[in-house]
Amino acid sequence: DAMVIQNPRYQVTQFGKPVTLSCSQTLNHNVMYWYQQKSSQAPKLLFHYYDKDFNNEADTPDNFQSRRPNTSFCFLDIRSPGLGDAAMYLCATSSPGGGVFNEAFFGQGTRLTVV
Amino acid sequence: AQSVTQLGSHVSVSEGALVLLRCNYSSSVPPYLFWYVQYPNQGLQLLLKYTSAATLVKGINGFEAEFKKSETSFHLTKPSAHMSDAAEYFCAVSRAAGNKLTFGGGTRVLVKP
Repeated sequence: DAMVIQNPRYQVTQFGKPVTLSCSQTLNHNVMYWYQQKSSQAPKLLFHYYDKDFNNEADTPDNFQSRRPNTSFCFLDIRSPGLGDAAMYLCATSSPGGGVFNEAFFGQGTRLTVV
Repeated sequence: AQSVTQLGSHVSVSEGALVLLRCNYSSSVPPYLFWYVQYPNQGLQLLLKYTSAATLVKGINGFEAEFKKSETSFHLTKPSAHMSDAAEYFCAVSRAAGNKLTFGGGTRVLVKP
C-alpha cells in the first residue's frame, strides 16, 4: 500500500564520501520534492521537480544534487557529506492542477548519519 | 513571501484533556493551510487541510482546525487527547494547489496519563 517509498530508511556514510538516497512513488504524481529536516527542526525544502523541470531553492548548497530519471524515481545525491548534513531527508510528491487540490504525500524518510 | 509561526514548541496535556495547537500564517495571497503529524523517525502524515472551502475543517484522528482570516490563524484542536496523539505537529502553508510547503517550527505534544 506504500505510495512514496524511501530507501534506505537509515544510512550511515563517511565524511566526504558521496551518498545517494532514493525515492520512488506509485502515485504517478508530477511533482517530487526533497526536504531536509535536522533534529528538532521543521522540514526545509531543498529542491523539487515538476515533471522534468528542476527547481532549486536559492539557499540549497551546491553539495546537494538531484536526479529524476523518470516519473517514478527521484534521487538525492550528496557529493561530499559533512557532519552538518546529518539529518532526516524526506521525499514528497504532489499532483497540482486541474482545479482540484492534492496535498503532498510524504515518504517515511531516510535518516542520514555522517561519521 | 509566506511564513508560519507555531506558538509553543512543546505542549503537555493530560489524557482526555483538550489539545490546542496554535498556528498563525503570513501570506500575500489566499493561502492553502495544512496540519501534518510526525511520529518519531517517521515521515509526515496529513491531518487536515484548508483550501478555501469550509472554514472549519475536520481531519483524521478526531482533529479539527478553524481558518480565521481576520486573525490569520489556523489553530488545531482535539477535544480529548489520547496517548497515541503524542507526536510532533507541523503547520504548513502553500501558495497554490500542490505547491511547495513552508513549515512552522513544529510543536511537540506530550500526553500524560
